[in-house]
Amino acid sequence: DADVTQTPRNRITKTGKRIMLECSQTKGHDRMYWYRQDPGLGLRLIYYSFDVKDINKGEISDGYSVSRQAQAKFSLSLESAIPNQTALYFCATSDQLTNTQYFGPGTRLTVL
Amino acid sequence: GEDVEQSLFLSVREGDSSVINCTYTDSSSTYLYWYKQEPGAGLQLLTYIFSNMDMKQDQRLTVLLNKKDKHLSLRIADTQTGDSAIYFCAESEDGGYQKVTFGTGTKLQVIP
Repeated sequence: DADVTQTPRNRITKTGKRIMLECSQTKGHDRMYWYRQDPGLGLRLIYYSFDVKDINKGEISDGYSVSRQAQAKFSLSLESAIPNQTALYFCATSDQLTNTQYFGPGTRLTVL
Repeated sequence: GEDVEQSLFLSVREGDSSVINCTYTDSSSTYLYWYKQEPGAGLQLLTYIFSNMDMKQDQRLTVLLNKKDKHLSLRIADTQTGDSAIYFCAESEDGGYQKVTFGTGTKLQVIP
């Protein structure tokens, strides 16, 4: 079984809709992250959380919000989706010793 | 801010060696990583090197680090078609939040 899972894997939505992307992990890590991937831009950090009570903005948090419901769950919301939020979204966890990132399979989001 | 740069594309023949290069700007990097992304999947850690090391070898993979020039390379010996993927270089800063900065990725195409 995968250590980091994401749902849904694919989503098509319309401009203005609210959507939520969910992430669960069984690695027991406290640290969790949301990234987006765009062609030619690599990965950019949206939000990160070091524990259930700790939420921090990344470099591109505008238009997004997150919720850390438990150590194992970290969800990303788009309050009012817009077309330039069309991208591949990854959830990740990391270990504290080497900061190695463990990624989920990704959610491909299309905003029409 | 920190920056990690990679060339976008590399093409090699099956059986040859591949060398993927990366430069970074953060002189306080603690760990440097190579991740592999196959189509439709998240990034997976290939290997990492601690900043006080010059070289690390793991089966067909050799990582070289030149701290003076802030240059990291990944050599894949006897490249196979299954090595076709996007390879990301990343660095983790020392202290604080230990932000991880990813490069834009190098797409490796292996020609049979």
